[in-house]
Amino acid sequence: KAGVTQTPRYLIKTRGQQVTLSCSPISGHRSVSWYQQTPGQGLQFLFEYFSETQRNKGNFPGRFSGRQFSNSRSEMNVSTLELGDSALYLCASIRDRGTDTQYFGPGTRLTVL
Amino acid sequence: DQQVKQNSPSLSVQEGRISILNCDYTNSMFDYFLWYKKYPAEGPTFLISISSIKDKNEDGRFTVFLNKSAKHLSLHIVPSQPGDSAVYFCAALSGGGADGLTFGKGTHLIIQP
Repeated sequence: KAGVTQTPRYLIKTRGQQVTLSCSPISGHRSVSWYQQTPGQGLQFLFEYFSETQRNKGNFPGRFSGRQFSNSRSEMNVSTLELGDSALYLCASIRDRGTDTQYFGPGTRLTVL
Repeated sequence: DQQVKQNSPSLSVQEGRISILNCDYTNSMFDYFLWYKKYPAEGPTFLISISSIKDKNEDGRFTVFLNKSAKHLSLHIVPSQPGDSAVYFCAALSGGGADGLTFGKGTHLIIQP
């Protein structure tokens, strides 16, 4: 069974630009969550999508958004990038919702210059 | 305010001995707890979980203990092996996972030969 795929793995952008990251969950999984990992704040929940609908959102500004497609693939978008957005962005695949185990992808390392 | 705390940034243990990683939480609404292991350049890998209705869960070399009254959980690894060297994250869920996983900042476990 293929694992969680995230593309691209590495990305360099400059302040003010926008970026789109992609996540393909495990086949048959219907929910995708996104997390941001930084040295200072650790791993923080961004949002969760289930059946193409945003189910929950963490404490991040509106510059962070996402969507989920009918095949469960998900994208997250960050607009007007700031230096502090430099982080590892992790996607987690969940079979359904709730307390099902979250399987993480390798992450996308975003550097904002 | 950190709701999940791992107070030891690093821990060094001799191969073959027991590794004990600790985690404290403040939110009494958390009802499901998980441990993840992370190698550099990879996403977190699920290890073991425990529901708040239990006080112990065991899976091979890994055992998680939960003390609800103390709001404390611990992960025991016996015996410790070199491949266990990694960063270990404690995570918690509430409300059936509605707010995503809340992570601690991790403990870097180093297994010495």
